[in-house]
Amino acid sequence: DVKVTQSSRYLVKRTGEKVFLECVQDMDHENMFWYRQDPGLGLRLIYFSYDVKMKEKGDIPEGYSVSREKKERFSLILESASTNQTSMYLCASGGLAGAGEQYFGPGTRLTVT
Amino acid sequence: KQEVTQIPAALSVPEGENLVLNCSFTDSAIYNLQWFRQDPGKGLTSLLLIQSSQREQTSGRLNASLDKSSGRSTLYIAASQPGDSATYLCAVRRYNFNKFYFGSGTKLNVKP
Repeated sequence: DVKVTQSSRYLVKRTGEKVFLECVQDMDHENMFWYRQDPGLGLRLIYFSYDVKMKEKGDIPEGYSVSREKKERFSLILESASTNQTSMYLCASGGLAGAGEQYFGPGTRLTVT
Repeated sequence: KQEVTQIPAALSVPEGENLVLNCSFTDSAIYNLQWFRQDPGKGLTSLLLIQSSQREQTSGRLNASLDKSSGRSTLYIAASQPGDSATYLCAVRRYNFNKFYFGSGTKLNVKP
């Protein structure tokens, strides 16, 4: 079974803090994704990576950065957390070849106060 | 840009009913279409994936169909149960592209 894990289920941070969200997958997938999900706005893509050290901006990259130093690990960084970054953050991974199915982690509910 | 729409936004049915959820997309140049289930406060669980060359996929009481030419997919749930209550999302992956486009979901409530 494919497994995508996220470092925290719930996180509370203060405005201005630097926040790291980590995602690990065990299927040797090339692609990894970070989304945020907000009521009424659905899932929005923040960044994705198609290989180690490679990244592409999604629809809402402002205020975020990412790091992929190893194939299995994809980190989302909030450089200076703000209250409008309070959200559910979802990581996903998927292969380039074959079915191209996407698998999601359990999500991290981040609250910025 | 690919637009994905799911109708209805919410659906409430009595237990045992057969039901259909709809997903439509604007660009037919897709690689695949995937249906997910999401329980409150949780991540997305993959239910079915249909490749662009396929017409349908089945898993247990679930059947998903794909009509690329009309830009539509349906998820059929047979003999619904209260445990099926969740939000159902569809996502399309563009051909030769690694990005997925999500619908806003259908929130299903199956009443005992």
